[in-house]
Amino acid sequence: GENVEQHPSTLSVQEGDSAVIKCTYSDSASNYFPWYKQELGKGPQLIIDIRSNVGEKKDQRIAVTLNKTAKHFSLHITETQPEDSAVYFCAASETNAGKSTFGDGTTLTVKP
Amino acid sequence: DTGVSQNPRHKITKRGQNVTFRCDPISEHNRLYWYRQTLGQGPEFLTYFQNEAQLEKSRLLSDRFSAERPKGSFSTLEIQRTEQGDSAMYLCASSLELSNQPQHFGDGTRLSIL
Repeated sequence: GENVEQHPSTLSVQEGDSAVIKCTYSDSASNYFPWYKQELGKGPQLIIDIRSNVGEKKDQRIAVTLNKTAKHFSLHITETQPEDSAVYFCAASETNAGKSTFGDGTTLTVKP
Repeated sequence: DTGVSQNPRHKITKRGQNVTFRCDPISEHNRLYWYRQTLGQGPEFLTYFQNEAQLEKSRLLSDRFSAERPKGSFSTLEIQRTEQGDSAMYLCASSLELSNQPQHFGDGTRLSIL
């Protein structure tokens, strides 16, 4: 089955700096890669996703890149703000497969 | 609020008791998923439905666990004879049937076994 590894497990940055979180996956059939933000006591909330026919996608301060050959994808947050502090999860799934396989999360702390 | 709704938000019970959780998905979504999340881990897939049909079950889902979605709308997850190791957050998500659609999560039910 699919295996998703996520690094780093914790990340601390100064407000205004950039943050990068990286994930690798094992199943070459995976073709959909969402990123979620989870705040304390809440469920994961989708922040951006990318499909395998695209190498990069950007939404304001958030961007995701995908390298299908190397089987890795990354989340980039620019101009970080204290409200970006949360746990971020990457995930991978295959068309027609119901489930997503999640990484173990990155706790991002943005210091004011 | 038209998001995914889960009830109860918290459940505390003694070991050996049965518990049932409910999930109401986004109304136009015909796929519904159950995940389990323990501290410091990502959500782990348990099972999913397309309409009322249960299409996949994880090996994590022991015979003490059963999920239903009788009319293709809300779903219930029941755990019989609860054990200490069942303590976790149980998350429900829903999505459209189309390929590569995002899953929208509820805020979960936190289960604590005494």
